[in-house]
Amino acid sequence: NAGVTQTPKFQVLKTGQSMTLQCAQDMNHEYMSWYRQDPGMGLRLIHYSVGAGITDQGEVPNGYNVSRSTTEDFPLRLLSAAPSQTSVYFCASSYGGGAGANVLTFGAGSRLTVL
Amino acid sequence: AQRVTQPEKLLSVFKGAPVELKCNYSYSGSPELFWYVQYSRQRLQLLLRHISRESIKGFTADLNKGETSFHLKKPFAQEEDSAMYYCALRRNNNDMRFGAGTRLTVKP
Repeated sequence: NAGVTQTPKFQVLKTGQSMTLQCAQDMNHEYMSWYRQDPGMGLRLIHYSVGAGITDQGEVPNGYNVSRSTTEDFPLRLLSAAPSQTSVYFCASSYGGGAGANVLTFGAGSRLTVL
Repeated sequence: AQRVTQPEKLLSVFKGAPVELKCNYSYSGSPELFWYVQYSRQRLQLLLRHISRESIKGFTADLNKGETSFHLKKPFAQEEDSAMYYCALRRNNNDMRFGAGTRLTVKP
């Protein structure tokens, strides 16, 4: 049971390049989400999904796309990277029922630098 | 706007002293509140949640709807409590919003 797996751990991009941050979970969680962590600003929600085929915007969705074609995977796409997207990105998942409902399980994080 | 406020970015106490990390929220619905912790070189993880009403690692937090607060308390801080602490609010539509975090340092 790997939990939440994020790849890559580190990435450097040039302004304007595109890339995808991968997130996979093996816990059959319905809910998945992406956050960015910036100093002094905590974690800010980018996008989230309550199940396969369903996604919604969080606090800071601009510049990011997501899709949820399977329960396990929730990739985050940067279509044209900007220096303001330099951050540490966290994927998190949870399930909706039972004793541990709504408790987020986090990935290890992906550190992205945009030059 | 629904938001979570942690007024202290940094908090430093001596070992054995009481510690309180403040969290205030604004939300028009019925809130579900959590404290998450990130120890050095570890993943973010749940510390406790208000509906459980339990003490974890000596920490407790009580939801005060009148003051819209969910402060985290521990009577005797330990060095291993040094970490980044985040208060979080789950809204009815399933998204989770976090505060800016408080870095707690417990000095020997």
